[in-house]
Amino acid sequence: SQKIEQNSEALNIQEGKTATLTCNYTNYSPAYLQWYRQDPGRGPVFLLLIRENEKEKRKERLKVTFDTTLKQSLFHITASQPADSATYLCALDSRDDKIIFGKGTRLHILP
Amino acid sequence: DTGVSQNPRHKITKRGQNVTFRCDPISEHNRLYWYRQTLGQGPEFLTYFQNEAQLEKSRLLSDRFSAERPKGSFSTLEIQRTEQGDSAMYLCASSQLDTQYFGPGTRLTVL
Repeated sequence: SQKIEQNSEALNIQEGKTATLTCNYTNYSPAYLQWYRQDPGRGPVFLLLIRENEKEKRKERLKVTFDTTLKQSLFHITASQPADSATYLCALDSRDDKIIFGKGTRLHILP
Repeated sequence: DTGVSQNPRHKITKRGQNVTFRCDPISEHNRLYWYRQTLGQGPEFLTYFQNEAQLEKSRLLSDRFSAERPKGSFSTLEIQRTEQGDSAMYLCASSQLDTQYFGPGTRLTVL
């Protein structure tokens, strides 16, 4: 069955450094992959989508890579700020109009 | 506000009672999704609609759960004879293409 793993439950990064989050998947070849941000008590908010034929996508301080050979996506936040502290969710399409979410990684940016 | 809205935001009920949640999607979106999320987990797919047609239901959705989208606009999710294991955040999302836009969720607590 399809499986998504996000590298760690929690990650502490010093303010100003680059935060890198990992999403690995198995038994699957998604057409695209998405990253969402979720704050406590709120619904997820869409950040970036990257398709299987794209290697990298950027949006302001965010960068996502997608390696379909390694079955891995990396999500980078450069010049991290305390306001970036949140849970970040990786989500894969299941080729039938649904997306499957990972458990998320709680990111803490330390001032 | 033209985003996805959900009501109520919080619901506390006693075991065995029925509850109903409402989701109002972004008006031009034809797809509507329901998810359940528990602490430390990503959202888990429950069911989705394309316009008024319910296209798929997860096996997580027992017979006590029912969802409707009568006119292809708002949707309701009903849980009958609630159990303590139903306590969770219930999220609604709408989409037109690949990206899903989430509402704030309804937090259900079953005592």
